[in-house]
Amino acid sequence: DVKVTQSSRYLVKRTGEKVFLECVQDMDHENMFWYRQDPGLGLRLIYFSYDVKMKEKGDIPEGYSVSREKKERFSLILESASTNQTSMYLCASSSGLAGDLYEQYFGPGTRLTVT
Amino acid sequence: AQSVAQPEDQVNVAEGNPLTVKCTYSVSGNPYLFWYVQYPNRGLQFLLKYITGDNLVKGSYGFEAEFNKSQTSFHLKKPSALVSDSALYFCAVRDRLSGGYQKVTFGTGTKLQVIP
Repeated sequence: DVKVTQSSRYLVKRTGEKVFLECVQDMDHENMFWYRQDPGLGLRLIYFSYDVKMKEKGDIPEGYSVSREKKERFSLILESASTNQTSMYLCASSSGLAGDLYEQYFGPGTRLTVT
Repeated sequence: AQSVAQPEDQVNVAEGNPLTVKCTYSVSGNPYLFWYVQYPNRGLQFLLKYITGDNLVKGSYGFEAEFNKSQTSFHLKKPSALVSDSALYFCAVRDRLSGGYQKVTFGTGTKLQVIP
């Protein structure tokens, strides 16, 4: 079974703090994604990566950055957390080369609260 | 850009009755569609996908989805609902970006409540 793990299930941070969310997948997938999930808005893509050291902006990249130094690990960074970044963050991975996506496998999510 | 719409925020169905969760899509070219389910306090799980071929796609946990090109719909169905099917369901479509890469765009989700 594909396993996608996220470093924390719940996180509480203060406004202005730098926040790191870590995601690891164990299936040697090329593609990894970060989404945020908010009620009534569904899932919105923040950033994605199709290869090591490669990153592409999604639909809502403002206020976020990412890092992918190893194939299995994809990190989301909030440079200076703000209250409007309070949300559920979901990491996902999928197989497929040259950006040809197949079904995605999701981690359990990190519920981040910024106070 | 491709998109999907889920017109119902919530669907209630009695246990044992058939269930339908609706999804319509807007794409240029041939659609590549997915359904995912999210159980309480858990990440999303893949249920099924449509690429091409048969209009009736079978997936996990007894779910199936019917692709209808003329109505641009991809409704999720199950003949007999279980209480354990109560969850949040997302329809999604694969979208090709200008750089040649692909991403998946999700709908806003439909909460399914199965009543004992």
